[in-house]
Amino acid sequence: QKEVEQDPGPLSVPEGAIVSLNCTYSNSAFQYFMWYRQYSRKGPELLMYTYSSGNKEDGRFTAQVDKSSKYISLFIRDSQPSDSATYLCAMSGGGANNLFFGTGTRLTVIP
Amino acid sequence: NAGVTQTPKFQVLKTGQSMTLQCAQDMNHNSMYWYRQDPGMGLRLIYYSASEGTTDKGEVPNGYNVSRLNKREFSLRLESAAPSQTSVYFCASSESGTPNTIYFGEGSWLTVV
Repeated sequence: QKEVEQDPGPLSVPEGAIVSLNCTYSNSAFQYFMWYRQYSRKGPELLMYTYSSGNKEDGRFTAQVDKSSKYISLFIRDSQPSDSATYLCAMSGGGANNLFFGTGTRLTVIP
Repeated sequence: NAGVTQTPKFQVLKTGQSMTLQCAQDMNHNSMYWYRQDPGMGLRLIYYSASEGTTDKGEVPNGYNVSRLNKREFSLRLESAAPSQTSVYFCASSESGTPNTIYFGEGSWLTVV
């Protein structure tokens, strides 16, 4: 069983839609939860970060962590064509050298 | 501010050839990392360097060597390339060892034929 599971998609939505991206994990020791956005032929860039459980909001983006269900989500409101990218979840129990990534969900927002 | 810079961006190698991927960061970060990204596998850590002068193996170190040349530079060497090493390689750095401070380079696409 993989440490982190992520639906690879692809996911296509019309502009303005609400997007929900999700990951599940198996290791209850994970405390750091990140979402990265990766444009085609580029490196991942940190989008959202949550420590432990709860919600975090940044503009159109909301990250949720449910540690009891071992489930994390990223919501994108009013999606834009510029949001078209692959979204990677990542999590760790502590050190940055012990980071586990999901395989990524490819999102396309259609104008 | 360039962040994390990797060279080369694209490379084709023949099986058995050697090459070095170069990485430099200008953010004065202590820790540096090399990852590979393969379809369906996600990003996997090859080697990391917690600080200048130290290196440690990650999840998939076989077939690779690294050198932390100084605080800015961290190179990845393939001594005898194999088709299984065809991948996209990302260098990254972090200010501290905490997971939320990692910055990635733009990637190096390597094909071994």
